[in-house]
Amino acid sequence: GENVEQHPSTLSVQEGDSAVIKCTYSDSASNYFPWYKQELGKRPQLIIDIRSNVGEKKDQRIAVTLNKTAKHFSLHITETQPEDSAVYFCAASASGTASKLTFGTGTRLQVTL
Amino acid sequence: SAVISQKPSRDICQRGTSLTIQCQVDSQVTMMFWYRQQPGQSLTLIATANQGSEATYESGFVIDKFPISRPNLTFSTLTVSNLSPEDSSIYLCSAALVSYNEQFFGPGTRLTVL
Repeated sequence: GENVEQHPSTLSVQEGDSAVIKCTYSDSASNYFPWYKQELGKRPQLIIDIRSNVGEKKDQRIAVTLNKTAKHFSLHITETQPEDSAVYFCAASASGTASKLTFGTGTRLQVTL
Repeated sequence: SAVISQKPSRDICQRGTSLTIQCQVDSQVTMMFWYRQQPGQSLTLIATANQGSEATYESGFVIDKFPISRPNLTFSTLTVSNLSPEDSSIYLCSAALVSYNEQFFGPGTRLTVL
């Protein structure tokens, strides 16, 4: 089955700096890669996703890149703000239709003033 | 996106009892899933809830312990049976439309077993 590794497990950045979280996956059939943000005590929220037919996607301060050859994808947050502090999960799905997700282990991002 | 609600939001149960969690979606969705999230951990898929048929369970999860129902396209239940303290966790349902991969999560049910 699919295996998703995520690094780092914790990340501390100063407000205004950039943050990068990296994930690797094992199943070459995976073609959908979402990122979720989970604040303490809240549900995971989908913040951005990318499909295997594109290499990069951007939404304001958030961007995701995908390297299918190397089987890794990354989340980039620029101009970080204190409200970006949360746990971020990457995930992978191996089907072209709505399908089960395999999650990474999570990255706790702390944005300090 | 779909709006997903869960009941109860939290519960404290005695060892050996069962808890049934309800998940309601505001629109018809193709796929519904149940996850477990232990404190400080990632999300682990328990099963895919299939409408009108038996759920599809992931390795390590069995129907006798986690019976699931999905009578229609907007509703599903997860029962956690014969509770032990190790079952203390957050249980989340999620839903997705067939045309898209995006999964949206319910608010979760925090279960504590004494």
